[in-house]
Amino acid sequence: LAKTTQPISMDSYEGQEVNITCSHNNIATNDYITWYQQFPSQGPRFIIQGYKTKVTNEVASLFIPADRKSSTLSLPRVSLSDTAVYYCLVGDPSSKYSGAGSYQLTFGKGTKLSVIP
Amino acid sequence: NAGVTQTPKFQVLKTGQSMTLQCAQDMNHEYMSWYRQDPGMGLRLIHYSVGAGITDQGEVPNGYNVSRSTTEDFPLRLLSAAPSQTSVYFCASSYALATGELFFGEGSRLTVL
Repeated sequence: LAKTTQPISMDSYEGQEVNITCSHNNIATNDYITWYQQFPSQGPRFIIQGYKTKVTNEVASLFIPADRKSSTLSLPRVSLSDTAVYYCLVGDPSSKYSGAGSYQLTFGKGTKLSVIP
Repeated sequence: NAGVTQTPKFQVLKTGQSMTLQCAQDMNHEYMSWYRQDPGMGLRLIHYSVGAGITDQGEVPNGYNVSRSTTEDFPLRLLSAAPSQTSVYFCASSYALATGELFFGEGSRLTVL
């Protein structure tokens, strides 16, 4: 299973752009990269998913270099409500259970983002 | 749609007791899974299922049993509760392996005394 490494914590002021980088050196060819956000006492919530280059939605952008060994979640102009833990996941969403393989999405410890007024 | 529903939200057990955490989803998802979350440990996968009648172990399966008799339900059973199983448990489900996006329940906080 591909493992991920993220910074444990980050601080940012309101209105700034925040970039959180995740390392996944053992990423497999069919693996996608997915980011989740978790607020205290809630389950994680999907933010964005990508395979290569750049993906953008209304919440964030995801940058993936050509070697795909890392990825960067970019949050534009953060506010206090963006204070949360952010998780980077690597997994193959198209794999099918065959008895010989497995389908697991493994969370790391996440990055705790604190937005300061 | 209710999404993913977990019950109970809170539970206190004594060491050695057994109980079942319930998880139900109404989105017709094939994939369902259970995670536990401990302070400083992130989320760790306990068991998962890719369809009715199919289950497999995750990273930390010891002390837990699961079954998947229907698409909608994926209960997690603690056979003989131990203090080390004090944690917050999350159930999650996903579409049929197409996108990998997980939908999480609100969590069940379990304390074992």
